[in-house]
Amino acid sequence: SAVISQKPSRDICQRGTSLTIQCQVDSQVTMMFWYRQQPGQSLTLIATANQGSEATYESGFVIDKFPISRPNLTFSTLTVSNMSPEDSSIYLCSVDSDRVSRETQYFGPGTRLLVL
Amino acid sequence: QQPVQSPQAVILREGEDAVINCSSSKALYSVHWYRQKHGEAPVFLMILLKGGEQKGHEKISASFNEKKQQSSLYLTASQLSYSGTYFCGTANNNAGNMLTFGGGTRLMVKP
Repeated sequence: SAVISQKPSRDICQRGTSLTIQCQVDSQVTMMFWYRQQPGQSLTLIATANQGSEATYESGFVIDKFPISRPNLTFSTLTVSNMSPEDSSIYLCSVDSDRVSRETQYFGPGTRLLVL
Repeated sequence: QQPVQSPQAVILREGEDAVINCSSSKALYSVHWYRQKHGEAPVFLMILLKGGEQKGHEKISASFNEKKQQSSLYLTASQLSYSGTYFCGTANNNAGNMLTFGGGTRLMVKP
């Protein structure tokens, strides 16, 4: 499976500010995904990060709030903009298991965000 | 629509068995099972594909009933290391692995 790293691992931010989360993979992958996991809850897909084109957002998530970049096949960023306490959550990136078979997803370690 | 997992929580003694169920209202192409320990990322356990193919990495078994749009995860002779929250992720087609995750089942194994 791919080795996935995320930065930062955790942060405490003030409301109204923005935070950019980075996701780096040690091999080229076709699909990269961004999820949000609120405390004690399930995983909710925010968007699919597409290389070379705009991200595809799920219902309830918009580009102005969660802009995403995918400059190449190993890297993506998610920005949480104009943060409020409701944005406090764990943000996880995941990737295809294999560029050819793409059987499942593997998750990065997550970024724990607290907004005050 | 989110698949429904049951039970929501279960407590076991070491060595006991447990079954976790995952039901979908839509036709399923594949079911993916993950385990997440507190403060860690979800870890892939197993994938079940339409047609009956099953792939996994650990000594945990699962079944996939395509007609009933259900999957079950079987944890036999549970170990302390099995504790965590189990999530099923479902895919409705084979185009891109878009997964929708269930609400999770919290499993605690006690000595």
